Amino acid sequence: KQEVTQIPAALSVPEGENLVLNCSFTDSAIYNLQWFRQDPGKGLTSLLLIQSSQREQTSGRLNASLDKSSGRSTLYIAASQPGDSATYLCAAPQGDNYGQNFVFGPGTRLSVLP
Amino acid sequence: GAGVSQTPSNKVTEKGKYVELRCDPISGHTALYWYRQSLGQGPEFLIYFQGTGAADDSGLPNDRFFAVRPEGSVSTLKIQRTERGDSAVYLCASSLTGTSPYNEQFFGPGTRLTVL
Repeated sequence: KQEVTQIPAALSVPEGENLVLNCSFTDSAIYNLQWFRQDPGKGLTSLLLIQSSQREQTSGRLNASLDKSSGRSTLYIAASQPGDSATYLCAAPQGDNYGQNFVFGPGTRLSVLP
Repeated sequence: GAGVSQTPSNKVTEKGKYVELRCDPISGHTALYWYRQSLGQGPEFLIYFQGTGAADDSGLPNDRFFAVRPEGSVSTLKIQRTERGDSAVYLCASSLTGTSPYNEQFFGPGTRLTVL
């Protein structure tokens, strides 16, 4: 059974810092992994989807990496801005499917201070 | 449509009542998912549709929960005899297909269900 954890649970940084959010998963037989952000009281916004054949995926100031062998993914945010303040969630598939049944981590709550 | 939409945005009901939650996926998306999220936790999978059929309903907590997608687009999540423990935000997501690793899921804003 897939289990997903994220550390840290919360993070507060000054504006402009580069930061790394960590995601760990127990079942490495996955085809993909997806990162989301969630603003308070809102739904989830897709940030990046990494397929197992990829090591990294980039979108603007965001870079996500995937290491299946170690069961880890990281989300790197460059030059953080106050608008990046949100909860960041990673999701890995339950078992060897394409992500139909996502298991989510508890999230990292990020605060970027101006 | 431009994104996944869900109605109502908020639903307050009394214990024992029946509720229906609606999801309109992104046009052309064949896969549709329901999740629920309790305060301070990540979403929890409920059910996945590929087209009109429920391909995986392993996350439905009990037989009070049922979902349909009769024409392969709009889906309705139905909860009978609601209990206070059903209070949560119910999220719907869609993706182009569920049968590919290029399976980016896009979420709606959710329906906040409160059972008094």
